[in-house]
Amino acid sequence: GQQVMQIPQYQHVQEGEDFTTYCNSSTTLSNIQWYKQRPGGHPVFLIQLVKSGEVKKQKRLTFQFGEAKKNSSLHITATQTTDVGTYFCAGSGGAGSYQLTFGKGTKLSVIP
Amino acid sequence: SAVISQKPSRDICQRGTSLTIQCQVDSQVTMMFWYRQQPGQSLTLIATANQGSEATYESGFVIDKFPISRPNLTFSTLTVSNMSPEDSSIYLCSVEPRGSSYNEQFFGPGTRLTVL
Repeated sequence: GQQVMQIPQYQHVQEGEDFTTYCNSSTTLSNIQWYKQRPGGHPVFLIQLVKSGEVKKQKRLTFQFGEAKKNSSLHITATQTTDVGTYFCAGSGGAGSYQLTFGKGTKLSVIP
Repeated sequence: SAVISQKPSRDICQRGTSLTIQCQVDSQVTMMFWYRQQPGQSLTLIATANQGSEATYESGFVIDKFPISRPNLTFSTLTVSNMSPEDSSIYLCSVEPRGSSYNEQFFGPGTRLTVL
């Protein structure tokens, strides 16, 4: 079945440093979604990427979808303490597939 | 968007008993899902709750262990049956709202289950 790998598992950064998490699928995806889960909270949708090579930005967050639609990345510029949490990528399979396969997540700690 | 509530928010149960978790949505949705998330781990899809028909279970999950009901478009229950300590986890329901631009999922707050 579809597998989604995500690295790194943990990342500790000084406030103001950049952060990147990478996601890789064993199969071609129809789309990829990113979620953020704050400590003690539930996952919250951030964005969806659909097109090959797509790049989307949300303020300090930049999301990329690879040309082959098998990998993705989330980059945060100048991290803040509010960025703390676990970031999950979630891949969706073929057309019409609504099921998501989640990566293991990257837990981000920001040192003030 | 969708607002989702879950009951109970947490519970401590004895081995061998069963617990039913409720998920209520503030709007009608077609797709409802149940996930399990062990502490510090990722989310694993248990099943898709289908309105008016049997749930669709993922590999490794069976109806006898995790019976699901979906009586209407705003409500679902997940029962964790004959519990063992290995069932200790957070159980989350999620929905895919109708008419959303993306097929994103909105998650409930989760039910934290501890089995002794």
